[in-house]
Amino acid sequence: DAGVTQSPTHLIKTRGQQVTLRCSPKSGHDTVSWYQQALGQGPQFIFQYYEEEERQRGNFPDRFSGHQFPNYSSELNVNALLLGDSALYLCASSTSGRAYEQYFGPGTRLTVT
Amino acid sequence: RKEVEQDPGPFNVPEGATVAFNCTYSNSASQSFFWYRQDCRKEPKLLMSVYSSGNEDGRFTAQLNRASQYISLLIRDSKLSDSATYLCVVNTNAGKSTFGDGTTLTVKP
Repeated sequence: DAGVTQSPTHLIKTRGQQVTLRCSPKSGHDTVSWYQQALGQGPQFIFQYYEEEERQRGNFPDRFSGHQFPNYSSELNVNALLLGDSALYLCASSTSGRAYEQYFGPGTRLTVT
Repeated sequence: RKEVEQDPGPFNVPEGATVAFNCTYSNSASQSFFWYRQDCRKEPKLLMSVYSSGNEDGRFTAQLNRASQYISLLIRDSKLSDSATYLCVVNTNAGKSTFGDGTTLTVKP
């Protein structure tokens, strides 16, 4: 039973560029949440997707957008990258009935130069 | 003030010690609570959920105090493998999860 997978593992981008991160949820899970984790801090909630719609959003600008596909996988897009966007981006999946029991992927480490 | 606050530590304890972490939250509408464990440069892993009646799993006990808006995690008979950062999470019914910044535990031989 595959857990949550994310790609790529690492990414280096330049300021102003755009990036797309991908996530495949754990088998049987239909809800995907995205988090940003800066060094020394806890994960910060970006948004959550369920039934291909954004269900809840944290305090992140519109530069952060996402998508969920019919197979429940998800993408996180960040436009106009800033140096401050450098962080570990974590995807977590859960079932709609137990949405808060989240299982995390290994994350994508994004470096913006 | 942060919505969820934890003592960052670090807590340095010898093997076999009992250690307790607290976490306070500000949103009285919060509905569910969890503890996660995060090893260095790894993803968070669900440790246990937290109920008002208390929740025990082996050496770990979690407790919720709604009146005072804090949750706690007690680890008994600490093992070297317990060394990690412990994150508390507070969730609202609207689907938003708020993590604390974590408490770092180092268990020494």
